[in-house]
Parts: sequence; structure tokens; C-alpha cells
Amino acid sequence: QVQLQQSGAELVKPGSSVKMSCKASGYTFTSYYIYWIKQRPGQGLEWIGRIGPGSGDTNYNEKFKGKATFTVDKSSSTAYMQLSSLTPEDTAVYYCARLDWESSYWGQGVMVTVSS
Amino acid sequence: DIQMTQSPASLSASLGETVSIECLASEDIYNNLAWYQQKPGKSPQLLIYYASSLQDGVPSRFSGSGSGTQYSLKINSLESEDAATYFCLQDSEYPWTFGGGTKLELK
Repeated sequence: QVQLQQSGAELVKPGSSVKMSCKASGYTFTSYYIYWIKQRPGQGLEWIGRIGPGSGDTNYNEKFKGKATFTVDKSSSTAYMQLSSLTPEDTAVYYCARLDWESSYWGQGVMVTVSS
Repeated sequence: DIQMTQSPASLSASLGETVSIECLASEDIYNNLAWYQQKPGKSPQLLIYYASSLQDGVPSRFSGSGSGTQYSLKINSLESEDAATYFCLQDSEYPWTFGGGTKLELK
């Protein structure tokens, strides 16, 4: 079955960077885009962007350009998102997901807390 | 960006009742709208795609409708497990955008 396993929670300092992972299993990794979504505590969802693991092509929400960087490692079927120059506004749960036309699969989320 | 205005922000209903949640898009999204359910501490789960298509395994008491800029999610015969937050998502145009969410409480 399709599974997306994300890395663990992070506590990071303002101004630093964090890189989280999303390991895919149960399907051909290179055949489906991986999407990244942000959810601030008690708030709604924001679409950060997506990456095509086969081609490496990316689409970023303009709001997150310069903040988020997507990469993949095809050998381990793992997608990564790096967030840079972190501020308290970046404190949130970050999800990776495979969002197909008629189905969706989500990771369990990574809680990133930005605090000094 | 396409703005998705979702209403109401919260609602309280009794078991067995029927409720509706609305999403209004700032421009035509050509039925490219999905509805998600999210329970506390859990990832969102897809209920409806392409405005009115029911995701496999989702109970038939959930239904979606609409076109153009106006869409709705209807839940018939509320059950206790339906207590959750519901989001709409437009996937018509980048960046994809979500509605603000509706928190459904069961009385």
C-alpha cells in the first residue's frame, strides 16, 4: 500500500535551516509528484509546492520561493524539503503528500518549532 | 492567486442532522475542487474530488456539488465520527489554495 513516512519533529533556532524527509513506499516513486503543505497550529493549510521525482521539475508557491527547496533521492525513494532563514512564522506542521486526481496519500506530518 | 472563501467557520449539529459547507472561489475553477476531512492530530483525508466525485471508501452520506465559483459539501445523517474540520482545495491553478476550514461539532 502507498505510504509516505516523514522524519521526526524538529526544534530549531531562528535564522537556521531545517531539512525534512518523506520516504515513499508501495508505488513507483518517480511516477507521481510529491506535494508539500504547511499547517500552522490551529490554522488552515497552505500549498508550498510540488516536485516531480522522475524529472526533478518543481512548482513553488511564490510565497515560499527562497524559503523552501525541494529535492529527491531516487535511489531511496525519498523526497526532501529544506526550509531556510527560519522565523517563528515558520512554526507549523509540514506534510508531504501524493495528490492524485482521484486519491490522496499524506505523510504523518513534521512539527517544526522555531524558538530561541 | 485564487482565493477560497469557506463558510461557516464553525457549526454545531446533532446526530442525524444534515449540514452543508460552502466554498466560494474568487474565479471560475471549472469543478477542480476537492473536499478534505481532518481530525485532530491527523492528516487530511480526501472525501470528494472534481467537485462531486466520491473517493473510494467514503460513506455515501457525503456529497459534493457546485460549478463555476460556488461549491458545497453536504453531509447527510450526521454520525459521531463526522466531528472534524473540513477543508476545500482548488487544484485548478497554481498555487493551489485551501479554504479556511469549517470545524464541525456534534452536539
